Amino acid sequence: EAQVTQNPRYLITVTGKKLTVTCSQNMNHEYMSWYRQDPGLGLRQIYYSMNVEVTDKGDVPEGYKVSRKEKRNFPLILESPSPNQTSLYFCASSLNGSPLHFGNGTRLTVT
Amino acid sequence: AQSVTQPDIHITVSEGASLELRCNYSYGATPYLFWYVQSPGQGLQLLLKYFSGDTLVQGIKGFEAEFKRSQSSFNLRKPSVHWSDAAEYFCAVGETSGTYKYIFGTGTRLKVLA
Repeated sequence: EAQVTQNPRYLITVTGKKLTVTCSQNMNHEYMSWYRQDPGLGLRQIYYSMNVEVTDKGDVPEGYKVSRKEKRNFPLILESPSPNQTSLYFCASSLNGSPLHFGNGTRLTVT
Repeated sequence: AQSVTQPDIHITVSEGASLELRCNYSYGATPYLFWYVQSPGQGLQLLLKYFSGDTLVQGIKGFEAEFKRSQSSFNLRKPSVHWSDAAEYFCAVGETSGTYKYIFGTGTRLKVLA
């Protein structure tokens, strides 16, 4: 089944403790992206990647890192999480220019 | 700057009534246009898309949308709403300049009354 898989679905952590949210897709898509969803703000792009070893900042990249060493994986790294990064995070992928396929989301709480 | 506006934060309709969700965009050319639906606790599912051609596009679950270039709009419609349509709906623009960046509206939450 074609899908984007994010893990974990729920994560509670404390300020400053490094964490990684994994994202994997099995559709051989070149394009992958991370979004955060906050009430009243819709989805805002954090980082995106147009292919392996090619990443670029989205609209809200501060406090996040990504890597794209393999085509299928695009992990999101929070080196030192802060409470303002409490949010619902979505990974998505697509063939360049085609509709995005979304994962089921990761709800992160930073205390 | 490119942007997407969904002017209605919440909409409530009765089951069986018609529905129109508004979406306006700001973009220098004709972008790719999408509508997504998000049910509680779920990711976003594509309802329909417009790339070019016929300005009235049909999607899944009985939804349709009409692209109006002169109004920079891409409104979503359904002739008869079902209770299962209660969800949040997002309009999105896909850039055609080669970056393939997607810009989302802030969403419209639909409530359906029995």
